[in-house]
Amino acid sequence: QVQLQESGPGLVKPSETLSLTCTVSGGSISNYHWCWIRQSPGKGPEWIGFIYHSGTTKYNPSLKSRVTISVDTSKNQFALKLSSVTPADTAMYYCARLYSSGSVLWFDPWGQGTLVTVSS
Amino acid sequence: QSVLTQPPSVSGAPGQRLTISCTGSSSNIGALNDVKWYQQLPGKAPKLIIYDNTYRPSGVPDRFSGSKSGTSASLAISGLQAEDEADYYCQSYDSSLGGFYVFGTGTKVTVL
Repeated sequence: QVQLQESGPGLVKPSETLSLTCTVSGGSISNYHWCWIRQSPGKGPEWIGFIYHSGTTKYNPSLKSRVTISVDTSKNQFALKLSSVTPADTAMYYCARLYSSGSVLWFDPWGQGTLVTVSS
Repeated sequence: QSVLTQPPSVSGAPGQRLTISCTGSSSNIGALNDVKWYQQLPGKAPKLIIYDNTYRPSGVPDRFSGSKSGTSASLAISGLQAEDEADYYCQSYDSSLGGFYVFGTGTKVTVL
């Protein structure tokens, strides 16, 4: 079955850019939307955005000005860049597939998550 | 930012029935967007347990059930078991600002 694995630095300095990669295994990255979701300690998850294998993207309006999601179909990977980070961006970052059944969509599967701390 | 509101915690004895509410607005749950529920065990990623308001994925016990009415939704857990102790999140789609996916504030279920 499809599995996802996040990778990237666990510590980022304030004002710098957070960069993470998600590797998809057990299936092709084609024909689905692929998402980034984060969860601050003790809070509910927050959807960051998604990318389709064609490169079409959609972002959360609250983060849109700082987010870029890209895809590399040759490597079965997609990536997240979040610029001008502050300590408020400290969170567990998950990648997930946006699965569709007819017109119903849900997040499944999820990666195990990677903790990113923003601190000097 | 959590757009959907849930009670912070609920608790019950083994075998009891619990319900968790999820309150949204006219731009998300009330806009006929369906509701999903996820269970998050400690240190794990969220796992889907209800989709399209009332349906359970294969493998999810029928002790879990979902409902939706107006701008709110509910998750019920009947015959509460120790392994149900977890955080639960509702999730939907908000049709404002061009559209985006939203989650609830989360509810911690404690089995006494």
